[in-house]
Amino acid sequence: VQLVESGGDLVHPGESLSLSCVGSGFTFSSYWMTWVRQSPGKGLEWVANIHEYGSRENYLDSVKGRFTISRDNAKNSVYLLMNSLRPEDTAVYYCARDTSPERDGNYFDALDIWGQGTMVTVSS
Amino acid sequence: AIQMTQSPSSLSASVGDRVTITCRASQGIGTELAWYQQRPGKVPKLLIYAASSLETGVPSRFSGSGSGTTFTLTISSLQSDDFATYYCLQDSTYPRTFGQGTKVEIK
Repeated sequence: VQLVESGGDLVHPGESLSLSCVGSGFTFSSYWMTWVRQSPGKGLEWVANIHEYGSRENYLDSVKGRFTISRDNAKNSVYLLMNSLRPEDTAVYYCARDTSPERDGNYFDALDIWGQGTMVTVSS
Repeated sequence: AIQMTQSPSSLSASVGDRVTITCRASQGIGTELAWYQQRPGKVPKLLIYAASSLETGVPSRFSGSGSGTTFTLTISSLQSDDFATYYCLQDSTYPRTFGQGTKVEIK
């Protein structure tokens, strides 16, 4: 069971970049998927997630309208399209699987499998 | 967005010590909280979800408790593998928000 991200690069402010995350060893279409980022030397920041079939998406306020999360279950892949990039978007971007465990009729987030991360640097 | 505040931001402890980390939410979140461990240079690892449910394979010295606005992660007897940064994450509302992290260092 693993996730592998790719697509990180050095880009200029205002440019676009697309990240990919491929899952293997599990039924990809059964899980919500999440992107989390971590700026150098800083803490974790939740970025976005997407429903198993791509019917629902949620975003961090500061990326709403600039980033788009999507998935292709036939390719076991989740994507993060990032437009109008800013220096503050510089970070390692991780994708993670959410097992969404149920307890007493409620569903919870549980990011149990993480990729190794891909570095995005936004600088002039 | 709900703000998550962890305390302390860092602590020094010895192997065998009992360690408690607190996470406070700016509004009630029921039990919709998870804890993650991140060792230096490594990816985060899920420890606890639903405030108190231990993830499969996580040692029983880790435990979580709390509901509403105040939560705790307890390590009953600190081991060398446990020196890391710990984060809480609320999953009650969007956007999800992490605490700022608590770094557990060797005394």
